[in-house]
Amino acid sequence: DAGITQSPRHKVTETGTPVTLRCHQTENHRYMYWYRQDPGHGLRLIHYSYGVKDTDKGEVSDGYSVSRSKTEDFLLTLESATSSQTSVYFCAISADPTEAFFGQGTRLTVV
Amino acid sequence: QKEVEQNSGPLSVPEGAIASLNCTYSDRGSQSFFWYRQYSGKSPELIMFIYSNGDKEDGRFTAQLNKASQYVSLLIRDSQPSDSATYLCAVCRGGQFYFGTGTSLTVIP
Repeated sequence: DAGITQSPRHKVTETGTPVTLRCHQTENHRYMYWYRQDPGHGLRLIHYSYGVKDTDKGEVSDGYSVSRSKTEDFLLTLESATSSQTSVYFCAISADPTEAFFGQGTRLTVV
Repeated sequence: QKEVEQNSGPLSVPEGAIASLNCTYSDRGSQSFFWYRQYSGKSPELIMFIYSNGDKEDGRFTAQLNKASQYVSLLIRDSQPSDSATYLCAVCRGGQFYFGTGTSLTVIP
């Protein structure tokens, strides 16, 4: 998976709790992305980063925040998890950007 | 209007046949174009990218790009059962990648 590690791989959490997902890369790529994937919607961009401390919103950013304090780490935080945020979350990295490479995914269930 | 549109399928082809997957995109500013394969329960895997009009071949895969028609296609020759997966079309514009919802392909032995 091109030197990308997501953690945790699976998580069950309760409604209203904060949750943080981590993406770690060893490729030194400039761009990092967080997507969610839901049936019928495909991959939708939540937030992305084009450098340390440089982030921007994607298509479905409400209820999510991100941070990138180091090149290798990109954190996604659900400030107060809701059932609508139950999804599979993918981190991706890209160099220029050129091709994007994906991590293994995190399956999040909010109960 | 969606950034990237694909027929969801399912598309079924017999083993050894050519599978043809199609995709259209809405923004003429899109700069680069990608095909990903995703097996059930797995992450998307890049199989082809194309930046210029025309065809690009890589083994059994050929990507075709027509910027005037805003159309991208993927041909899989000599389809194998292992090619059964969902194929995602993606475009890159302004540092962001936009994905279609994917086409499900089944190759029948």
